[in-house]
Amino acid sequence: DQQVKQNSPSLSVQEGRISILNCDYTNSMFDYFLWYKKYPAEGPTFLISISSIKDKNEDGRFTVFLNKSAKHLSLHIVPSQPGDSAVYFCAASASHQGAQKLVFGQGTRLTINP
Amino acid sequence: GAGVSQSPSNKVTEKGKDVELRCDPISGHTALYWYRQSLGQGLEFLIYFQGNSAPDKSGLPSDRFSAERTGGSVSTLTIQRTQQEDSAVYLCASSLDWDRGNQPQHFGDGTRLSIL
Repeated sequence: DQQVKQNSPSLSVQEGRISILNCDYTNSMFDYFLWYKKYPAEGPTFLISISSIKDKNEDGRFTVFLNKSAKHLSLHIVPSQPGDSAVYFCAASASHQGAQKLVFGQGTRLTINP
Repeated sequence: GAGVSQSPSNKVTEKGKDVELRCDPISGHTALYWYRQSLGQGLEFLIYFQGNSAPDKSGLPSDRFSAERTGGSVSTLTIQRTQQEDSAVYLCASSLDWDRGNQPQHFGDGTRLSIL
């Protein structure tokens, strides 16, 4: 039972364009959502997060959108840069249940083409 | 450095041996987590420590796995009688006390464990 799903294993985008990464979840108890970026042989790097009381959070080129009714979140990167090429993981937690253990999606490999 | 530090970065051992993996969290972070990523899989939660509270061990896959956190800082994950299916990258993360509200977890670079 995969509670967090990233249905696109890969995505290719031209440099300068917008990258949109999608994530769906099934557990309605999740109330905190995060996006991580991972390069090979390195640990995941925190990018941006959003609490369920919001529907949008923006940080520079990165914006996360949350649609609670659809149990869907997305990460927008604009403009995309070659250094954005990495694997992106979305993660969720049900913080009110005590431990903020994260449930991760399978990841989406983003490739930015020059 | 100021990040989460894990050692060793790579470990190769024979089936049946015990291994210890170490994690040094970010200074001041009271919460510490262990995850693992098997080949082709997403990250899987193993265990969580928060301050002096009893750890949340709900993700440990078997009783061969255990973890300790001494002095509220460094943590050691121990796998006894290793099996080939234990081969994975073991990742440690730390965060500020989540009693302050939602806190992002910051990860180390992991230990790549290979069981022959």
